[in-house]
Amino acid sequence: DTEVTQTPKHLVMGMTNKKSLKCEQHMGHRAMYWYKQKAKKPPELMFVYSYEKLSINESVPSRFSPECPNSSLLNLHLHALQPEDSALYLCASSQDRRGAYNEQFFGPGTRLTVL
Amino acid sequence: GDSVTQMEGPVTLSEEAFLTINCTYTATGYPSLFWYVQYPGEGLQLLLKATKADDKGSNKGFEATYRKETTSFHLEKGSVQVSDSAVYFCALKTNFGNEKLTFGTGTRLTIIP
Repeated sequence: DTEVTQTPKHLVMGMTNKKSLKCEQHMGHRAMYWYKQKAKKPPELMFVYSYEKLSINESVPSRFSPECPNSSLLNLHLHALQPEDSALYLCASSQDRRGAYNEQFFGPGTRLTVL
Repeated sequence: GDSVTQMEGPVTLSEEAFLTINCTYTATGYPSLFWYVQYPGEGLQLLLKATKADDKGSNKGFEATYRKETTSFHLEKGSVQVSDSAVYFCALKTNFGNEKLTFGTGTRLTIIP
């Protein structure tokens, strides 16, 4: 199994809602990532988990709350989002966080719309 | 800091044309270099990679050679197809500093029949 899966594919939520994005990989990778991608832009890194511990938080607002329940799963909990948070949210994984040669494998993304 | 510069798009070519998308980089140490492709409505897929100078990455008819002397990793394909229409991102990762994947701005490629 060489893929990263993400659910849901699409999500529409109001500014007062609480929702979660889910990501799963079964490649035995020990690093997992959340990215945010706006239209016509490259992905922007949000969080990095390494061996199930948060190792990088790119100064993301607290309305985004990541969680890594185990080495295969990564969640992104959303609460009180703003319309400008509408974007494609991508999950990725790699064998390890360190090492220039460790390529990242991306999931298909969740298209989030905040009304 | 690390940076990747890609040629401005969009690029429009006819089917079977030769493709070059330029990519140059600035990095500390010896980065690995990657090309990712994003088809409409999808996530990123790794297209090819090279981890040291003079390495050539290749996949699906695409090639790129890691040129340390010119700090470049240009993407080429001899004969493009309509199915190659996508956004292409050049990226690098180093062993130093923040160890993040640094992306270029992306180049949108459209192939017309």
